[in-house]
Amino acid sequence: AQSVAQPEDQVNVAEGNPLTVKCTYSVSGNPYLFWYVQYPNRGLQFLLKYITGDNLVKGSYGFEAEFNKSQTSFHLKKPSALVSDSALYFCAVIFTTSGTYKYIFGTGTRLKVLA
Amino acid sequence: DGGITQSPKYLFRKEGQNVTLSCEQNLNHDAMYWYRQDPGQGLRLIYYSQIVNDFQKGDIAEGYSVSREKKESFPLTVTSAQKNPTAFYLCASSTRTGLGPGANVLTFGAGSRLTVL
Repeated sequence: AQSVAQPEDQVNVAEGNPLTVKCTYSVSGNPYLFWYVQYPNRGLQFLLKYITGDNLVKGSYGFEAEFNKSQTSFHLKKPSALVSDSALYFCAVIFTTSGTYKYIFGTGTRLKVLA
Repeated sequence: DGGITQSPKYLFRKEGQNVTLSCEQNLNHDAMYWYRQDPGQGLRLIYYSQIVNDFQKGDIAEGYSVSREKKESFPLTVTSAQKNPTAFYLCASSTRTGLGPGANVLTFGAGSRLTVL
């Protein structure tokens, strides 16, 4: 079955330290992988995506993610965290079924950056 | 500015009432989606539409209905048959799926929070 897992409900990091938010996936075929961010009482905003090519993808607000095919992972990273990065982060994957593209979202990881 | 507008932002419903959530986009996107968000459960797909006058059930369609009479609009009705409707509802849109740089990226509205009294 197609799935996305975010193993950590919450990640705490001190401001200025590097951050990592983990994501693993299970899909048949080549995955299309995404990260979205959600601020309180708002919709999700697109951060970055991996379709093909370079395994290191750079996105908005200084975030990047590394696609690792052997570990089926797509972890989100940032070299130096800001308090304003505190939000809920979702990993997502697209797979195809009956000619239709479908999104699967992870359960989300709450990032708390401490001043 | 282009984007997706959801209304109302907050809505209260009594038991047995139907309510309709509005979703309008001016992005000229073909595909539109409705998701339900509950704490700790991520986003679950309710309905989606890839073209006007056509829509498909998602994973949790029971108790919901939609229409897609115009490209810009994709309203969601939460019926009295939905047993646990209290949730945060998110509307999204995207270009036709494909491999272009903007393809498959979802643009979300700000959400509608429904509470059953």
